Amino acid sequence: QSVLTQPPSVSAAPGQKVTISCSGSSSNIGNYYVSWYQKFPGTAPKLLIYDNNKRPSGIPDRFSGSKSGTSATLDITGLQTGDEADYYCGTWDTSLSAGVFGGGTKLTVL
Amino acid sequence: EVQLLESGGGLVQPGGSLRLSCAASGFTFRHFAMNWVRQAPGMGLEWVSGFSGSGGSTFYADSVKGRFTISRDNSKNTLYLQMNSLRAEDTAVYYCAKDGGPPNQEYWYFDLWGRGTLVTVSS
Repeated sequence: QSVLTQPPSVSAAPGQKVTISCSGSSSNIGNYYVSWYQKFPGTAPKLLIYDNNKRPSGIPDRFSGSKSGTSATLDITGLQTGDEADYYCGTWDTSLSAGVFGGGTKLTVL
Repeated sequence: EVQLLESGGGLVQPGGSLRLSCAASGFTFRHFAMNWVRQAPGMGLEWVSGFSGSGGSTFYADSVKGRFTISRDNSKNTLYLQMNSLRAEDTAVYYCAKDGGPPNQEYWYFDLWGRGTLVTVSS
């Protein structure tokens, strides 16, 4: 059971928008920045969003993040078939003194 | 080139030990917090352990506390993970990951990852 809760899967058509949620508590998301990662099978995770809503250089603005209270969301607009991957949220838990991830969300672009 | 390269994975029997290494290059290793993250087959990402870039503090997931030890040799730009009393549930690909925050601060997000090394615990 992951500390952060994500939906197991989401799907949408090419060109559409999808939102992936990440729910936590006051000891993690409520008290710390959230990051998001994209992961394809057999490859290392890739940082998409950090500090709740900032994009590293090279990440297209189709990817955006936000946080409110103890929840965070990742929005992906203009979906492409190449976006099919697993997406993970992550943060620091001040009660556990440990890093935590969500269980991951599999994105299917229909 | 900025990169992380893990090594040391392999097949080990339950109760056995293994030491993973992560060689860093292309950045000032000693200034940054470093972490180990794993992914078991068919499962999600799990943060395992972190070593601060300042002050030498170490942190562990409850699942490995008391069995795993993280260390670093800044003179060799290398991060280590000593894994003892290994269990079947420790079977995973282990990734080394660099903290993305400013030098000497821990922001606990990961902007550089290695390719991973596979650890299989089985008799």
